[in-house]
Amino acid sequence: GQSLEQPSEVTAVEGAIVQINCTYQTSGFYGLSWYQQHDGGAPTFLSYNALDGLEETGRFSSFLSRSDSYGYLLLQELQMKDSASYFCAVGTDKLIFGTGTRLQVFP
Amino acid sequence: GAVVSQHPSRVICKSGTSVKIECRSLDFQATTMFWYRQFPKKSLMLMATSNEGSKATYEQGVEKDKFLINHASLTLSTLTVTSAHPEDSSFYICSASLAGGPSDTQYFGPGTRLTVL
Repeated sequence: GQSLEQPSEVTAVEGAIVQINCTYQTSGFYGLSWYQQHDGGAPTFLSYNALDGLEETGRFSSFLSRSDSYGYLLLQELQMKDSASYFCAVGTDKLIFGTGTRLQVFP
Repeated sequence: GAVVSQHPSRVICKSGTSVKIECRSLDFQATTMFWYRQFPKKSLMLMATSNEGSKATYEQGVEKDKFLINHASLTLSTLTVTSAHPEDSSFYICSASLAGGPSDTQYFGPGTRLTVL
């Protein structure tokens, strides 16, 4: 089967940098995606890695290493509005989501 | 960007009734739509893949007779929860994939919160 593990919760202060890891046991996927979801809302797309390496999109960056079955989302210059749940997901003919990480940003 | 809507956003019903949830792609055609279920503070669990003009593909453990999916057009998929019970209370989210696009390009609806009394 396919499984993607994430830390359940991460806390940080405004302005800090935080890394959310995603380790997976799956194969044959197109790429690793990251989604943000605020409480009661829909997931919104953040970043996508088709190839190994780092992808940077503003304050957010994402990394993938297929050889290590590992990826991460890096959030810089944290803001209060970044408090949300973050999910990694692998895409095949569908998206399989990770366990999710709840990020709490404190002032 | 691509917009997906869901209706209703919230529904409360009595046990034993059926509830229909609509998912629409507003500005693009979606040959494939996906239905997810999410419990509080949990991840999204894929329930089924809805393909326009053909039968839905259900994930293991999801009862197809309980959760009826119809994808009659390139912009509309419906999920009907039949004979709903309190354990069916959950947040249901749909997503649509751009026609011909890779599976990773999914746009999510705002979700429907179902409460069964």
